Amino acid sequence: EMQLSESGGGLVQPGESLRLSCAASGFTFSDYGISWVRQAPGKGLEWVAVISGSGQTIHYADSVKGRLTISRDHSTSTVSLEIKGLSADDTAVYYCVKEQIDMYTSGWYFDLWGRGTVVTVSS
Amino acid sequence: VMTQFPATLSVSPGERVTLSCRASQSLASNVAWYQQKPGQAPRLLIYHASTRATDVPDRFSGSGSGTEFTLTISSLQSEDFAVYYCQQYNHWYTFGQGTKLEIK
Repeated sequence: EMQLSESGGGLVQPGESLRLSCAASGFTFSDYGISWVRQAPGKGLEWVAVISGSGQTIHYADSVKGRLTISRDHSTSTVSLEIKGLSADDTAVYYCVKEQIDMYTSGWYFDLWGRGTVVTVSS
Repeated sequence: VMTQFPATLSVSPGERVTLSCRASQSLASNVAWYQQKPGQAPRLLIYHASTRATDVPDRFSGSGSGTEFTLTISSLQSEDFAVYYCQQYNHWYTFGQGTKLEIK
């Protein structure tokens, strides 16, 4: 069974950094890109970062560019997201999401979501 | 930009409902729909604008191309009351702001 499991969330103070992890299982890790999507309390979904299956292609949303670093470790089938300079606006549930290719268009949609990890930024 | 409307829809079980999503530029068919229930992660329903994901009941259907997309639920069941998001994956990723289906 394919699974994604996030960890690393918690209560942090403004200005601090945090590293989230996503452990993948049940599929060939290197074949699929992984994204992070966040959801602020009571709000909608916001995509923030993606790393390709090989790790060679990385892209960030403009809203977070410069503060986030995404990486992957093929030896442990884990994707990490480091967030620097946290502010209250970063308070959200962070979901790890597996990509799947749309065979008709070669685009990539999200076919598997983790349960999420909660990040709260507050003094 | 993906614009979903309406923001909230009050409907009765058994009714047919159509949710709309409009894109600011042409997306071909690179649109997906997700369902999110309270306290849960989103779940993929539709990709390629109209292809149902695995194990999605056939009462869910998607249509559209270019800039106009719809998700139709033919006969609402109690478990369908949730928030629905459209997403474009034509150029990176953008979600609509969601449509909440609530019981009338």
